[in-house]
Amino acid sequence: NAGVTQTPKFQVLKTGQSMTLQCAQDMNHNSMYWYRQDPGMGLRLIYYSASEGTTDKGEVPNGYNVSRLNKREFSLRLESAAPSQTSVYFCASSLIDRGQSPLHFGNGTRLTVT
Amino acid sequence: QKEVEQNSGPLSVPEGAIASLNCTYSDRVSQSFFWYRQYSGKSPELIMSIYSNGDKEDGRFTAQLNKASQYVSLLIRDSQPSDSATYLCAVNAILTGGGNKLTFGTGTQLKVEL
Repeated sequence: NAGVTQTPKFQVLKTGQSMTLQCAQDMNHNSMYWYRQDPGMGLRLIYYSASEGTTDKGEVPNGYNVSRLNKREFSLRLESAAPSQTSVYFCASSLIDRGQSPLHFGNGTRLTVT
Repeated sequence: QKEVEQNSGPLSVPEGAIASLNCTYSDRVSQSFFWYRQYSGKSPELIMSIYSNGDKEDGRFTAQLNKASQYVSLLIRDSQPSDSATYLCAVNAILTGGGNKLTFGTGTQLKVEL
């Protein structure tokens, strides 16, 4: 089993460009998440999907959109990238809603916006 | 006051010693507690979860929870250089309106020296 797979691993964008981060899990988990991690800020939740067909905002949703394509896949879109979105992005999944069961993280995407 | 607080470190311990990592939280209704290990440039991986007061042991790792004092700790016995990483504390609270809120601390950097 691959667990949680994220693509791409690295990306450089210019201000104003758009991109989609892809995430897929093969653990039959119900819940999926997108986090960003910045030095000194810890992991901050961008969006989450408690179950297939639902999505909700997290702590820092501005500038992002998500799609829960099916039970396996959860994508994150940046419509107009800004330098403030330079970060490491992690996708995660859990069997049931976060906190009630542990999160399993993907390997991360390092995004630089110039 | 931060919801989940950890000393950023670095915490330096000699090889073979016990490393003690601490985490305090502010929300009294928190119910689930997790420790994740994150190597530099890698994604967080779950080490321990603990849900009730007391100690939980898994190999060289022991998680300790004291809900009355609102702290959770992680002890690493016989510390090895491979334990050098950042350790993230995560605390979950069930919200009165339903749902969960999982909050991560900013992590404690542990260095195990030869």
